[in-house]
Amino acid sequence: NAGVMQNPRHLVRRRGQEARLRCSPMKGHSHVYWYRQLPEEGLKFMVYLQKENIIDESGMPKERFSAEFPKEGPSILRIQQVVRGDSAAYFCASSPTQREDTQYFGPGTRLTVL
Amino acid sequence: GESVGLHLPTLSVQEGDNSIINCAYSNSASDYFIWYKQESGKGPQFIIDIRSNMDKRQGQRVTVLLNKTVKHLSLQIAATQPGDSAVYFCAERAYNFNKFYFGSGTKLNVKP
Repeated sequence: NAGVMQNPRHLVRRRGQEARLRCSPMKGHSHVYWYRQLPEEGLKFMVYLQKENIIDESGMPKERFSAEFPKEGPSILRIQQVVRGDSAAYFCASSPTQREDTQYFGPGTRLTVL
Repeated sequence: GESVGLHLPTLSVQEGDNSIINCAYSNSASDYFIWYKQESGKGPQFIIDIRSNMDKRQGQRVTVLLNKTVKHLSLQIAATQPGDSAVYFCAERAYNFNKFYFGSGTKLNVKP
């Protein structure tokens, strides 16, 4: 049973470009969560999605950031017009149901903005 | 050795010793807690969890203790091994919320 997959593992962008991060949840999981981690810090919640729905985006910046989880395909975290402060590791987690407690994490995408 | 959680971010122990990593959580409404282990360049890995109706839970070589009175969580690792070297995070979830709040982590160094 494959775990949570994320790609790319490393992404380099110049200021002003767009970054697209992908997350494929574990098989059978329909709930996806995105977190951001700055160096030497804990993970910060960004957004929680179910298939085709955003349930909670309280941790996501209001501008430039968006997320989706379409009926088919992976969840996408999109950052437009990236700035240096967006450089971080972005982790995706999944769980099978809303009330399933444990979230299983992917290996992360490390975004570097030059 | 013992860590005071957020105020002592690095804990060094000798191989074979027991380790205790502490975490203070902030929300008295939190009903579920997880300890994650994160190795360099990897995602968080589930270690053990505990619900708020429990005080203690044991796994293989690990024990989690929960003191709701003082909002304190600890992770005990028995017979610490070099492979245990990593950053350990506690995560709390408030009832009826789906997101976890993570502490800033404690780095565990195991000396051979």
